[in-house]
Amino acid sequence: DTEVTQTPKHLVMGMTNKKSLKCEQHMGHRAMYWYKQKAKKPPELMFVYSYEKLSINESVPSRFSPECPNSSLLNLHLHALQPEDSALYLCASSGGALETQYFGPGTRLLVL
Amino acid sequence: SQQGEEDPQALSIQEGENATMNCSYKTSINNLQWYRQNSGRGLVHLILIRSNEREKHSGRLRVTLDTSKKSSSLLITASRAADTASYFCATDGNNAGNMLTFGGGTRLMVKP
Repeated sequence: DTEVTQTPKHLVMGMTNKKSLKCEQHMGHRAMYWYKQKAKKPPELMFVYSYEKLSINESVPSRFSPECPNSSLLNLHLHALQPEDSALYLCASSGGALETQYFGPGTRLLVL
Repeated sequence: SQQGEEDPQALSIQEGENATMNCSYKTSINNLQWYRQNSGRGLVHLILIRSNEREKHSGRLRVTLDTSKKSSSLLITASRAADTASYFCATDGNNAGNMLTFGGGTRLMVKP
């Protein structure tokens, strides 16, 4: 199973809402990632979890809160987002450093 | 920050022709990867080339790496309409963590 799944596929939320994005992999990968991608731009790294611990936070605003409940799951909690946060949010996993990353299909988020 | 720059930004060719995309990067690397992304979807890993390798093949794909020039190229031979997608190079920036930095991408259109 080389699949990374993400839910929901689409999400529309208001600036006062609280929502969560979910990501799951069953490849035994110990590193998981959140990326943000705007239209016609490359993915930008947000967070890296390694062995269920946050190892990299790329100066992401606190309205984005990651969580890694176990080695297979990665969540991104959203609160008080701004319209400019509208983007495709991609989750990925890898077996470790310097390894290929496997991406999920993404959650397309629209903040109104 | 964006490590790699890709050119061209957009490429339109006829089915059967070859497509060449170039990537330049700024810092030393352990490896360089190429990914493909269909419109609004997740990224799919195509090929990884390590810093001590100069050329790698996978099916209709050929990747070269010139570490002295800090550049890489991706050649797709005998292109098909189904190759229409965005192509990104990604480098690890020779860091000990799990960070990938993506280039700006090349949008390839293959006309049937």
